[in-house]
Amino acid sequence: QKEVEQNSGPLSVPEGAIASLNCTYSDRGSQSFFWYRQYSGKSPELIMFIYSNGDKEDGRFTAQLNKASQYVSLLIRDSQPSDSATYLCAVGQGQLTFGSGTQLTVLP
Amino acid sequence: GAVVSQHPSRVICKSGTSVKIECRSLDFQATTMFWYRQFPKKSLMLMATSNEGSKATYEQGVEKDKFLINHASLTLSTLTVTSAHPEDSSFYICSADRDSGVEQYFGPGTRLTVT
Repeated sequence: QKEVEQNSGPLSVPEGAIASLNCTYSDRGSQSFFWYRQYSGKSPELIMFIYSNGDKEDGRFTAQLNKASQYVSLLIRDSQPSDSATYLCAVGQGQLTFGSGTQLTVLP
Repeated sequence: GAVVSQHPSRVICKSGTSVKIECRSLDFQATTMFWYRQFPKKSLMLMATSNEGSKATYEQGVEKDKFLINHASLTLSTLTVTSAHPEDSSFYICSADRDSGVEQYFGPGTRLTVT
């Protein structure tokens, strides 16, 4: 059974700080990795996806993938209160397996 | 960007009745749609994969006779919760896959409450 693990948090960071979110996955053959943001009562919205080992940057967000360690992370620079949400890690292509999510609070 | 809609956004029904939820891709054709369920403070769990013109593929533990999925066209998939019970109360979210690409496009979700 494919598993995706996240620290459920809650994680609190002050405004302007870097938030670091982590995720591990069990299926070594996984090829595609996604980070979604979900506000309460809303459906997930895609932040980033990554396929290759290393870092991928998009604005204030950086995804990091280490396939050898089966680990993927998301860094949010210059965190804003509007970033407060639950962040979901997902693995797969087509059929996604989601982690349980990490609740992030950015304190003004 | 690609837009996926769901209808209704919120529904309350009595125990024992059936409820139909529609998922539409508004500006693209979706060969594959996915149905997820999310309980409060829990993650999304894939229920089934729906391919246009064929029977849906259900995940282990999901009752296919209870959760009827129809994908009659490239822009519409429906999920019918039959003989709903209070434990079926959940947030149901669909997503659509365009051209078997990597990114899935999620609908806004349907909040089902069974009384």
